[in-house]
Amino acid sequence: NFMLTQPHSVSESPGKTVTISCTRSSGSIASNYVQWYQQRPGSSPTTVIYEDNQRPSGVPDRFSGSIDSSSNSASLTISGLKTEDEADYYCQSYDSSNWVFGGGTKLTVL
Amino acid sequence: EVQLVQSGAEVKKPGESLKISCKGSGYSFTSYWIGWVRQMPGKGLEWMGIIYPGDSDTRYSPSFQGQVTISADKSISTAYLQWSSLKASDTAMYYCVRQGDPDYWGQGTLVTVSS
Repeated sequence: NFMLTQPHSVSESPGKTVTISCTRSSGSIASNYVQWYQQRPGSSPTTVIYEDNQRPSGVPDRFSGSIDSSSNSASLTISGLKTEDEADYYCQSYDSSNWVFGGGTKLTVL
Repeated sequence: EVQLVQSGAEVKKPGESLKISCKGSGYSFTSYWIGWVRQMPGKGLEWMGIIYPGDSDTRYSPSFQGQVTISADKSISTAYLQWSSLKASDTAMYYCVRQGDPDYWGQGTLVTVSS
């Protein structure tokens, strides 16, 4: 079993770039795909990145995902921040057939 | 268009049973795993378990094994999450998720358990 650790919160100004990290506690980050979900207040989550770095149709290219084996972590980068990006973001990966979620990061765009 | 439509909000008393549903459309229901995720008030996402409707293969998170039952009826493209005896601590929003390239989420079902 492993855990995914995210920062509790991040904040940045509109137009800037922010990166949210997701660190895997054991085992290689590269051994299972990582997904990222956005959850706006009062709404259900939606997928913004799947399979480490793939964007679903309709997700702007301001959103990008990557993994870094040296830090055993995945990252979600949002460029050209907009106020509508303010939300909770969760990373997710797999442990055998089990899903593992990170604790979530609250992004404030101020 | 892929859609997962969940049943409506429920208000129950402790000890009561409950079955909530998630109807899939716009894709081959039997070809994708469907999972259930709990979100307690003000908290993060917790994975409960997953089912493959094609053959009803079901896996549970150790945290939820024995506490809930996941099932599916492929004839009506619907997955279910059920409790035999609810507790106040089951009060939460429950989401179904179709796993796969990308994942699609239902709108959520709010379950409130209160005496």
